[in-house]
Amino acid sequence: GQQLNQSPQSMFIQEGEDVSMNCTSSSIFNTWLWYKQDPGEGPVLLIALYKAGELTSNGRLTAQFGITRKDSFLNISASIPSDVGIYFCAGKGYSGAGSYQLTFGKGTKLSVIP
Amino acid sequence: KAGVTQTPRYLIKTRGQQVTLSCSPISGHRSVSWYQQTPGQGLQFLFEYFSETQRNKGNFPGRFSGRQFSNSRSEMNVSTLELGDSALYLCASRGVLQGDRSTYEQYFGPGTRLTVT
Repeated sequence: GQQLNQSPQSMFIQEGEDVSMNCTSSSIFNTWLWYKQDPGEGPVLLIALYKAGELTSNGRLTAQFGITRKDSFLNISASIPSDVGIYFCAGKGYSGAGSYQLTFGKGTKLSVIP
Repeated sequence: KAGVTQTPRYLIKTRGQQVTLSCSPISGHRSVSWYQQTPGQGLQFLFEYFSETQRNKGNFPGRFSGRQFSNSRSEMNVSTLELGDSALYLCASRGVLQGDRSTYEQYFGPGTRLTVT
């Protein structure tokens, strides 16, 4: 099946610092999604990307759809304590027989030190 | 607009039992997908239902099954539970509109935490 490599697995940063995480794949994806999950909750959609090269912002978050369609990154600027959580990338790819499905990265666990 | 709801939120079962989990999608959403989340394997796709038909299926054994009702609500069933089935089971819904590029934006419920002892 399709694999997504998400890095880093975890990061500890000081409040106010910028953060960058990325996902790469051996397969081409048509859509990239970025989610954040808080403990005990389901993932919440942060940003959706639909076109190669697309750069989209949502407040302090910025994400880009790589030109090769095999990667995406998420940046968080001026981190705050409530940014703590696990961030997941997801790629929409063809799974055969006319169907598509989302493949998720393993997540980046972000810790923010006040 | 109400979000995706899942019931129950927590469940404890013993090996060999079977379990049914329920998911109500966002109003107007016709597609429901199920995922299993574990610390070791991350988020893994189980299956997707649209208009009461299974449209896509992940790589899980036949003990995992699901269905969708005419009101788009969905249930997932796991039979003959094993210890390894302990996980957070997440349901996600999406709208499906022809030509709408947002149709792959999946919205997740809070999950059902299943513990098998």
